[in-house]
Amino acid sequence: QKEVEQNSGPLSVPEGAIASLNCTYSDRGSQSFFWYRQYSGKSPELIMSIYSNGDKEDGRFTAQLNKASQYVSLLIRDSQPSDSATYLCAVSQTGNNRKLIWGLGTSLAVNP
Amino acid sequence: KAGVTQTPRYLIKTRGQQVTLSCSPISGHRSVSWYQQTPGQGLQFLFEYFSETQRNKGNFPGRFSGRQFSNSRSEMNVSTLELGDSALYLCASSEQGAGANVLTFGAGSRLTVL
Repeated sequence: QKEVEQNSGPLSVPEGAIASLNCTYSDRGSQSFFWYRQYSGKSPELIMSIYSNGDKEDGRFTAQLNKASQYVSLLIRDSQPSDSATYLCAVSQTGNNRKLIWGLGTSLAVNP
Repeated sequence: KAGVTQTPRYLIKTRGQQVTLSCSPISGHRSVSWYQQTPGQGLQFLFEYFSETQRNKGNFPGRFSGRQFSNSRSEMNVSTLELGDSALYLCASSEQGAGANVLTFGAGSRLTVL
């Protein structure tokens, strides 16, 4: 059973729209949550990290965490073609050494 | 501040050979994690090293091994290469560990097994 799940997409949105990416996880005690962006042929890079329930905003990006429902989402406002990439959700498990579990990623295409 | 450096960037091997990949983390980072990435499989965790000790290990066969040196540089080795080992191998460094901190990835080593 996959421990971190994301819709693979592709998610297609028009330029200027809001893109909503979702991630669910199975370990109820998970403590740290990360969104990484990976352009085709490149390495993942951090977009947002979130550790407590609620919203965290950084420019056009907002991460939302709901531990009771075990989901974390990423909203991208005013989507740009340069946002077209695969977005990876990563969740830190509880226990010793806090292993990081990755989703398979959601492919986002922003159409001009 | 220099980033994470992986060498070599590209390499071609044949079945049965072995390969060693190197990763130099960001200065001051003590954790190095290794991942295999193939189309459709996402990031598959191989192992994490922290202060020269293997902290976590993924579900890969024993042909995949690694180590970390006192200067935090890490190497991974794949023996008896199979066609299915063709992939992008990424390493990532962090200050305290993959679960606790943000990861910074290297550019990757792309391995092709013929």
